[in-house]
Amino acid sequence: SQELEQSPQSLIVQEGKNLTINCTSSKTLYGLYWYKQKYGEGLIFLMMLQKGGEEKSHEKITAKLDEKKQQSSLHITASQPSHAGIYLCGADLYGNKLVFGAGTILRVKS
Amino acid sequence: NAGVTQTPKFQVLKTGQSMTLQCAQDMNHNSMYWYRQDPGMGLRLIYYSASEGTTDKGEVPNGYNVSRLNKREFSLRLESAAPSQTSVYFCASYHGLIRGGELFFGEGSRLTVL
Repeated sequence: SQELEQSPQSLIVQEGKNLTINCTSSKTLYGLYWYKQKYGEGLIFLMMLQKGGEEKSHEKITAKLDEKKQQSSLHITASQPSHAGIYLCGADLYGNKLVFGAGTILRVKS
Repeated sequence: NAGVTQTPKFQVLKTGQSMTLQCAQDMNHNSMYWYRQDPGMGLRLIYYSASEGTTDKGEVPNGYNVSRLNKREFSLRLESAAPSQTSVYFCASYHGLIRGGELFFGEGSRLTVL
């Protein structure tokens, strides 16, 4: 979606390194979702952020929502091969229209 | 609970053939969605139904039609399939009236148009 920009498009990191993926909206965010997808498989819900300043964590993955900047960041600490996949941000922008960014492909080198 | 169920999981069509992808949810959700995902890319919204009795175009609606048959079911129809419609299709549902709930996805339907 052009309404949601994800960066970077792809990322290769050495195992054990930290990384950040960003998701920026051109419109007001009513809710921001993060999903993960392993190649050729279905979507795994990571977390959903709704309020400005909200921060949630799941295992070694932390996401924050900056409502003023209309932006969310997903941070992975001490990356592992199991973190590899496609990370997708999605947003409830208006009227229950839920759109997604183009995704970030993450590869973790052992 | 089954959650969101899509059928079929795999389908091969010839150019010009028609088919319908079926989606059903058992969570009493108000809003339902159809997305397509091309290799290595994100999800693009085809059509959505914010509530029973309404449907709206998403980002890539051309070549598709939808029917919200009842609150549970939301089908996607390809009237005359084209190779450009080769993709993985995902159906999803969302409570809709309560903002902030999880968006639940089906397992996907892999469509190949020859």
